[in-house]
Amino acid sequence: EAEVAQSPRYKITEKSQAVAFWCDPISGHATLYWYRQILGQGPELLVQFQDESVVDDSQLPKDRFSAERLKGVDSTLKIQPAELGDSAMYLCASSQQENEQFFGPGTRLTVL
Amino acid sequence: AQSVTQLDSQVPVFEEAPVELRCNYSSSVSVYLFWYVQYPNQGLQLLLKYLSGSTLVKGINGFEAEFNKSQTSFHLRKPSVHISDTAEYFCAVRNTNAGKSTFGDGTTLTVKP
Repeated sequence: EAEVAQSPRYKITEKSQAVAFWCDPISGHATLYWYRQILGQGPELLVQFQDESVVDDSQLPKDRFSAERLKGVDSTLKIQPAELGDSAMYLCASSQQENEQFFGPGTRLTVL
Repeated sequence: AQSVTQLDSQVPVFEEAPVELRCNYSSSVSVYLFWYVQYPNQGLQLLLKYLSGSTLVKGINGFEAEFNKSQTSFHLRKPSVHISDTAEYFCAVRNTNAGKSTFGDGTTLTVKP
């Protein structure tokens, strides 16, 4: 069964450092999402791509976060510089139709 | 704007007992409704979804949910839980015209022997 792949699964970094997360969606899925999930809360959308274009990045802290999906397939989410409050699970999801999203296993980020 | 409220942050229950996890939502437009399950350090897995049609939706692992438009609710139920159902459960809504999903803060279901 096709799955959304994410790497790394875990990342520990010091504040002010740069970090990057990678996501490979299910083949053929045009829509890709990055969510941030703080411990004890539900996921919150950071950015949504349709193919290589950003559809919604209204909740992305653009002073330190960036996301790209250059060829409309895999995607990278970057944080520079990382802050203590960025510690969270970062989830990637993809969808082919508007109604169902498939989630990857997530990247657990710890900022020290 | 849309929002989701999961009324119980934690639900402890004994094995083989029935369970209901409550979800209320608010939205000014039509929505799709979802329940997801999340095991520790894993992503979210879809349990079931309501798009249209019958208000009683059956999902995986014996779960079902009922959409109640007048009460803007989408409660999740299972008649007999197992130890393996211990996990975090999230209710989500999605505007039928847009891709963004809004999630509740989750309900921790703990099944005790």
